[in-house]
Amino acid sequence: SQTIHQWPATLVQPVGSPLSLECTVEGTSNPNLYWYRQAAGRGLQLLFYSVGIGQISSEVPQNLSASRPQDRQFILSSKKLLLSDSGFYLCAWSVNRAHYTFGSGTRLTVV
Amino acid sequence: SQQGEEDPQALSIQEGENATMNCSYKTSINNLQWYRQNSGRGLVHLILIRSNEREKHSGRLRVTLDTSKKSSSLLITASRAADTASYFCATDGGGSEKLVFGKGTKLTVNP
Repeated sequence: SQTIHQWPATLVQPVGSPLSLECTVEGTSNPNLYWYRQAAGRGLQLLFYSVGIGQISSEVPQNLSASRPQDRQFILSSKKLLLSDSGFYLCAWSVNRAHYTFGSGTRLTVV
Repeated sequence: SQQGEEDPQALSIQEGENATMNCSYKTSINNLQWYRQNSGRGLVHLILIRSNEREKHSGRLRVTLDTSKKSSSLLITASRAADTASYFCATDGGGSEKLVFGKGTKLTVNP
């Protein structure tokens, strides 16, 4: 069956520290992969999406970057976290764009 | 930038009542999707309506789409306390690989 794994569930990091959030998908090949961020009480903001290995599209200029080293692996990174990077980060995948499946999210608090 | 805009931002009703949430968008779309998010969790896909469809049903859910007005509505009939969640519309535009979300409607169903 198709599943998506996202970890960790919660993370508290100091300002200026690096970040690496990982998302992996099982049970499908060549999915489109997405990173969204949700600020408290707000909607979802698309950060990055990828249609294939090594192909990353950035939606908003910011302190974050994404990489797709393998077909079913999507990584969100930062070299130096800012307070404004706090939020709820969601990974998602889609094969036919008719149905997006989301991970359970990572709540990041930068202190 | 955000594509969909839901209203109301928050809705509080009694169990058994119907809940109607609206979504407006700005550009042409291939399809429009509705998602549900329980507090602090990932999003769950509810229903998709294609641009050539006007109405769709799934259980207690009814979705309408008016492409001339660039708007959609989600109706939940005979609401239950378990329907308490945030509901988001999302649009998939032509030629784009991404799904763009609105800010959501927070629905509270009181027992």
